[in-house]
Amino acid sequence: RKEVEQDPGPFNVPEGATVAFNCTYSNSASQSFFWYRQDCRKEPKLLMSVYSSGNEDGRFTAQLNRASQYISLLIRDSKLSDSATYLCVLIYGGATNKLIFGTGTLLAVQP
Amino acid sequence: NAGVTQTPKFRILKIGQSMTLQCTQDMNHNYMYWYRQDPGMGLKLIYYSVGAGITDKGEVPNGYNVSRSTTEDFPLRLELAAPSQTSVYFCASSSQTGISYEQYFGPGTRLTVT
Repeated sequence: RKEVEQDPGPFNVPEGATVAFNCTYSNSASQSFFWYRQDCRKEPKLLMSVYSSGNEDGRFTAQLNRASQYISLLIRDSKLSDSATYLCVLIYGGATNKLIFGTGTLLAVQP
Repeated sequence: NAGVTQTPKFRILKIGQSMTLQCTQDMNHNYMYWYRQDPGMGLKLIYYSVGAGITDKGEVPNGYNVSRSTTEDFPLRLELAAPSQTSVYFCASSSQTGISYEQYFGPGTRLTVT
């Protein structure tokens, strides 16, 4: 089983739609969770961290469910500029700060 | 605001050739990383460093070498290029302060080995 699994998509949604991605992880020792965004042919950039209590940043909401070992990202009122690949990322912990990346979910927002 | 810079942006190598991918960061980060990203795959960690003079293997280190003589620079060396090393290579850095684990990535080097 892969350490981090994501639906590759693509998710094709119209502008203004609400879209949600899930990501499952296999190692229950995973300690920290993130969503990174990667535009086509560009480097990944941190979108938001994911906390146990859930967190929101504008139109983006991230949730963590440790019991079921998944995290989610909800995007409300989708914009054309949200079109990108969203990478689920986790850290097991320790002092090395090593990230484990999912393969990403491609979002295409249509006008 | 340079952040993490990588050179070259693109390179085509013949099988068996060698090259060094350069990575420099100006944020005084202790942690630096090299990843490769193949089409449709997640980023895989090649090597990482927790400070000058300290390096360690990641998930896919075979065929690569690194050094970290300064805080700023973390070059990646390919000694005998193989087609399997065709990929996009990203360098990243981070400063582990508090609970912040954000990694800052360079723009990548697209390498083709033929």
